Amino acid sequence: DIQMTQSPSSLSASVGDRVTITCQASQDISNYLNWYQQKPGKAPKLLIYDASNLETGVPSRFSGSGSGTDFTFTISSLQPEDIATYYCQQYDNLPPTFGQGTKLEIK
Amino acid sequence: EVQLVESGGGLVQPGGSLKLSCAASGFTFSGSAMHWVRQASGKGLEWVGRIRSKANSYATAYAASVKGRFTISRDDSKNTAYLQMNSLKTEDTAVYYCTRAYGDDTFDYWGQGTLVTVSS
Repeated sequence: DIQMTQSPSSLSASVGDRVTITCQASQDISNYLNWYQQKPGKAPKLLIYDASNLETGVPSRFSGSGSGTDFTFTISSLQPEDIATYYCQQYDNLPPTFGQGTKLEIK
Repeated sequence: EVQLVESGGGLVQPGGSLKLSCAASGFTFSGSAMHWVRQASGKGLEWVGRIRSKANSYATAYAASVKGRFTISRDDSKNTAYLQMNSLKTEDTAVYYCTRAYGDDTFDYWGQGTLVTVSS
């Protein structure tokens, strides 16, 4: 199975800050990488697909980049409603695998 | 509006069985691959398995942790996917989500989840 390693595991930032989360794959996955947001008690929500494409309806402050084994997820200006846990997910190979998650908190 | 509604969760003893359902609406269910993803309390997301569409021969695939114990099926006439879980273990305790995949394995729609608790 392809292992996905996210960092950091948790992050505290202030409203308006630029926030960056990284995800590293254990092997080359091209751009077969998605990012999800999960708020407490809710189902995950797709934000970014194919590493850098913004899902319809998702605010433009969210972005993704990378290819191969190294990927980055960025919130350009943190908003209070962005408090959540964020997961990367690869779909290059079965089984699809998720990173362990990054819990984002407001400072 | 797209909706995925899971049902069938509950408390079951180790070694027991449970069947989850996922009722879909608002999209072309018959043309979609359907997946199950689970999440133990306070933990991350774990893919359980999937069933593809009729056009892809209803092909199934499973995580190693559930292979041989869990079976995914679907009834396109009812727009419903199922997860039959047998020989349940305490480590299967989790919220189970059904999710629609577009393309390969990108999960764009999710249900609200149903809690399965395996305990004596």
